[in-house]
Amino acid sequence: GENVEQHPSTLSVQEGDSAVIKCTYSDSASNYFPWYKQELGKRPQLIIDIRSNVGEKKDQRIAVTLNKTAKHFSLHITETQPEDSAVYFCAAKGGGNKLTFGTGTQLKVEL
Amino acid sequence: DTAVSQTPKYLVTQMGNDKSIKCEQNLGHDTMYWYKQDSKKFLKIMFSYNNKELIINETVPNRFSPKSPDKAHLNLHINSLELGDSAVYFCASSQEPPPLHREQYFGPGTRLTVT
Repeated sequence: GENVEQHPSTLSVQEGDSAVIKCTYSDSASNYFPWYKQELGKRPQLIIDIRSNVGEKKDQRIAVTLNKTAKHFSLHITETQPEDSAVYFCAAKGGGNKLTFGTGTQLKVEL
Repeated sequence: DTAVSQTPKYLVTQMGNDKSIKCEQNLGHDTMYWYKQDSKKFLKIMFSYNNKELIINETVPNRFSPKSPDKAHLNLHINSLELGDSAVYFCASSQEPPPLHREQYFGPGTRLTVT
């Protein structure tokens, strides 16, 4: 089955700096890679996703890159703000149609 | 106008009891899911139903039994509750089935505490 590894587990940045979270996956059949943000006590919510036929996708301050050969994908947040503080999960969906989540990254944006 | 709703939001019960969590979505989606999020925040899929049919059944104890009376509802019944069942349970839905990939919309979660 799919195995998704996510690093780092915690990330602290100064407001205005960039944050990068990296994930690797094991199933070469995986073709859909969403990123979810979960604020404290709230539900996970999709912030961006990428499909395997695309190498990069950007939405305002958020971008995701995908390297299918190396089986890794990354989330980039620029100009971080305090409201970006949350737990971020990467995920991969493969041939079994099951979404496998990474272990999460606690991002803290400090003033 | 809540998209995915769950009841109850909090559930505190004793070991050995049987409890149910209900989930409803008003998005018209065909596929619904149950996830378990433990104290370390790991999100793991338990079950998935498409149009009332079970399509994903992960390795969970058979004390957990999902039931989908119609495609807008997916309930989770848990028998003989154990301490290790304490977690937040999230229901989710999406407009699939495969091979399409669509956003999964999560419910607010049910925090289950077994004492």
